[in-house]
Amino acid sequence: DAKTTQPPSMDCAEGRAANLPCNHSTISGNEYVYWYRQIHSQGPQYIIHGLKNNETNEMASLIITEDRKSSTLILPHATLRDTAVYYCIAGSTLGRLYFGRGTQLTVWP
Amino acid sequence: NAGVMQNPRHLVRRRGQEARLRCSPMKGHSHVYWYRQLPEEGLKFMVYLQKENIIDESGMPKERFSAEFPKEGPSILRIQQVVRGDSAAYFCASSPNRDTGELFFGEGSRLTVL
Repeated sequence: DAKTTQPPSMDCAEGRAANLPCNHSTISGNEYVYWYRQIHSQGPQYIIHGLKNNETNEMASLIITEDRKSSTLILPHATLRDTAVYYCIAGSTLGRLYFGRGTQLTVWP
Repeated sequence: NAGVMQNPRHLVRRRGQEARLRCSPMKGHSHVYWYRQLPEEGLKFMVYLQKENIIDESGMPKERFSAEFPKEGPSILRIQQVVRGDSAAYFCASSPNRDTGELFFGEGSRLTVL
């Protein structure tokens, strides 16, 4: 699985968009980009994933660069409940996901 | 629909005792995964099971740890002769098929070894 690099922490004002970057320069052609988050000590929560195209669902948008070496997770209107550790994972399927240190996103009022 | 159910949520054991953690996957899911999260660290994959089969146990410690997912009943992660270093949160996840990275996680079982 490709290694990912994320900033250790980010801040965002409530109501503003949170843009979380991720570098995965060694990603291979068949590896997806997945985003999960973990709120406090709860179980991780799946957010979104993509291969080449940008993706959007009710939680977030995923923007993947054309060369696939980086991506950005966008939370369009962050709320206090979005405060969590966000994990960017680049890998194949079969459930063996590599969770790194992630980005601690703090949303402040 | 009930999510992934794990129990116990908290377990305290003394060194040398056995710990058994149980996981019931979401309804309709036949693929179960166990992950471990040590304090202040990210989650680490341990094992992937289907009903009655271990598919991938590449993340399991070589000794004292075992996992099963019987035809009937929950998946069980068993840790024999626990040591203080086993203190961690153990998360179970499930999925409806194997070709996916979209996993549904439980709330975890927190093991404390005294």
